[in-house]
Amino acid sequence: AQSVSQHNHHVILSEAASLELGCNYSYGGTVNLFWYVQYPGQHLQLLLKYFSGDPLVKGIKGFEAEFIKSKFSFNLRKPSVQWSDTAEYFCAVYNTNAGKSTFGDGTTLTVKP
Amino acid sequence: KAGVTQTPRYLIKTRGQQVTLSCSPISGHRSVSWYQQTPGQGLQFLFEYFSETQRNKGNFPGRFSGRQFSNSRSEMNVSTLELGDSALYLCASSLGTGQAGGEQFFGPGTRLTVL
Repeated sequence: AQSVSQHNHHVILSEAASLELGCNYSYGGTVNLFWYVQYPGQHLQLLLKYFSGDPLVKGIKGFEAEFIKSKFSFNLRKPSVQWSDTAEYFCAVYNTNAGKSTFGDGTTLTVKP
Repeated sequence: KAGVTQTPRYLIKTRGQQVTLSCSPISGHRSVSWYQQTPGQGLQFLFEYFSETQRNKGNFPGRFSGRQFSNSRSEMNVSTLELGDSALYLCASSLGTGQAGGEQFFGPGTRLTVL
């Protein structure tokens, strides 16, 4: 069964610090990869996605993620976080064969002003 | 285009009752997935419907059921409610096929409180 592991449950950073959130998945077949974000009181929304091609993908608000196939990883990065990045972040994997999505447990990011 | 809509937004029920939640996906989307979100458990997958058929199912008891109509609208039903069913229930729609099939668009959720 496919699974997604997010390494950190809660991350606390000061503004301007760099961010890296880990995401690993277990499935050997073709996958699409996603990061979603849920700001306080708002819907879950797409942050960025990887389907194919350049393994470094850029999303909204200065976020980027790198797909490393050999490590089954899709880590999220941002060079300088802002207070407004405080949110919960979810990594998700879509199994293109089974048409099935699996989400990680989420990482709560708190950015101190 | 209009986003995913869920009704009702808030619901208060008592133990033993049953509840039906509704989700209208984005026009053209044929897949609807349901998730339970709680502070301690994150996002737990309930089931996914694609073209009126349940295509995937999570590890929830049979008290949780769903269906999808020909217009892709979906309902989720929980019977014999338990206190532990209190949660935010999220609906997500997607194309369901093709390379972009896994990109999901989430609704605002239905906040269910069981007393």
